[in-house]
Amino acid sequence: EVELLESGGGLVQPGGSLRLSCAASGFTFSTYAMNWVRQAPGKGLEWVSSINGGGSNIYYADSVKGRFTISRDNSRNTVYLQMNSLRPDDTALYYCAKRDGCGNGGCYYDYWGQGTLVTVSS
Amino acid sequence: EIVLTQSPGTLSLSPGERATLSCRASQSVSSSYLAWYQQKPGQAPRLLIYGASSRATGIADRFSGSGSGTDFTLTISRLEPEDFAVYYCQQYGNSPLTFGGGTKVEIK
Repeated sequence: EVELLESGGGLVQPGGSLRLSCAASGFTFSTYAMNWVRQAPGKGLEWVSSINGGGSNIYYADSVKGRFTISRDNSRNTVYLQMNSLRPDDTALYYCAKRDGCGNGGCYYDYWGQGTLVTVSS
Repeated sequence: EIVLTQSPGTLSLSPGERATLSCRASQSVSSSYLAWYQQKPGQAPRLLIYGASSRATGIADRFSGSGSGTDFTLTISRLEPEDFAVYYCQQYGNSPLTFGGGTKVEIK
């Protein structure tokens, strides 16, 4: 059974940093692109970042480019999101999602974690 | 960036009724690379449809997707009590991938 378990969220002041982790199990982790998608309270979904199975292809939304860094450790079946220079509008539930299939512009996701909440506030 | 506009914002229906949800793209979605997700309160999204019309594994056949180009539709043929939720469309044919703002299907 596929499981994705996010951790690392919390309350941080504007300008601060957090590192999110997503531990995966139940599938061959190294062969799948992994992704972060966020959802601000009461709002819709926003893609944040993607990384391919080998870690060589990385993509970011413009809203986080230059501030967030995605990475993965295939020996630990874990994907990370390092978030720096956090702003109040980064406040959201951050989901880790496993890609199913892909098109020309990205992928769709068949498994999602339950999310980890990031709150940026002074 | 492709903007996806979902309508209506809220759909009030009774169990057993048919639900028709619309997702309109600001430009043509390449190769009908469009997905639909269902999200219930406090839960992660669940994949329903990909490729505009293919049902994901384990999804009931009362859910169907259609459309191409800029206009896509999710139809729920007969609403079951567990279908009342928020539905999002997502395009993955053009970078960056984007989501619609969602349609809430509520009990009338």
